[in-house]
Amino acid sequence: GNSVTQMEGPVTLSEEAFLTINCTYTATGYPSLFWYVQYPGEGLQLLLKATKADDKGSNKGFEATYRKETTSFHLEKGSVQVSDSAVYFCALSKDFGNEKLTFGTGTRLTIIP
Amino acid sequence: GAGVSQSPRYKVAKRGQDVALRCDPISGHVSLFWYQQALGQGPEFLTYFQNEAQLDKSGLPSDRFFAERPEGSVSTLKIQRTQQEDSAVYLCASSLKGAVYLPSKFFGPGTRLTVL
Repeated sequence: GNSVTQMEGPVTLSEEAFLTINCTYTATGYPSLFWYVQYPGEGLQLLLKATKADDKGSNKGFEATYRKETTSFHLEKGSVQVSDSAVYFCALSKDFGNEKLTFGTGTRLTIIP
Repeated sequence: GAGVSQSPRYKVAKRGQDVALRCDPISGHVSLFWYQQALGQGPEFLTYFQNEAQLDKSGLPSDRFFAERPEGSVSTLKIQRTQQEDSAVYLCASSLKGAVYLPSKFFGPGTRLTVL
């Protein structure tokens, strides 16, 4: 079946540091890939997505590239801010018309000033 | 408001009680999803509606779980004879009709269920 494995947390970085959160997936065919973010006290929000191999999703300075050869979708940001502190979830969607999401376990990110 | 709303936000139940969790999707959103998020885990799919039709209930963990969306808008997730392992945050999400172009999902704040 479909599954997502992401880097275990928690991750603590200093402000302006470079961020990578690793995500790999297992799925047949060509899933769509997502990063969701959950800020403290808020609901899940879509951060970025990519729907085919070599696509790059980007938003708010975050980027992730769909790598089919390594079945990966690593999240990166060049210079993190305190406001980026949140829990990040990698997810995939396999079924058109249903689009149910399969999530990873989440990575808690804390940025210290 | 313009977002997905869920009620109650917090629910404490004694083991064996029945509970009902409500989701109000964004107006006009055809697709509605329920997910269960255990502590420290990612959300897990429970069920999916398109309008009033429940098209996928493969994620419901047992026959104690039941979901409905009778008029194609508000949805209710009902859990009968609650057990401690049902303790989790229950998330609702809605989106425009499922299509090739993968419309974005909007998640509600969740209902935190604690079963004592």
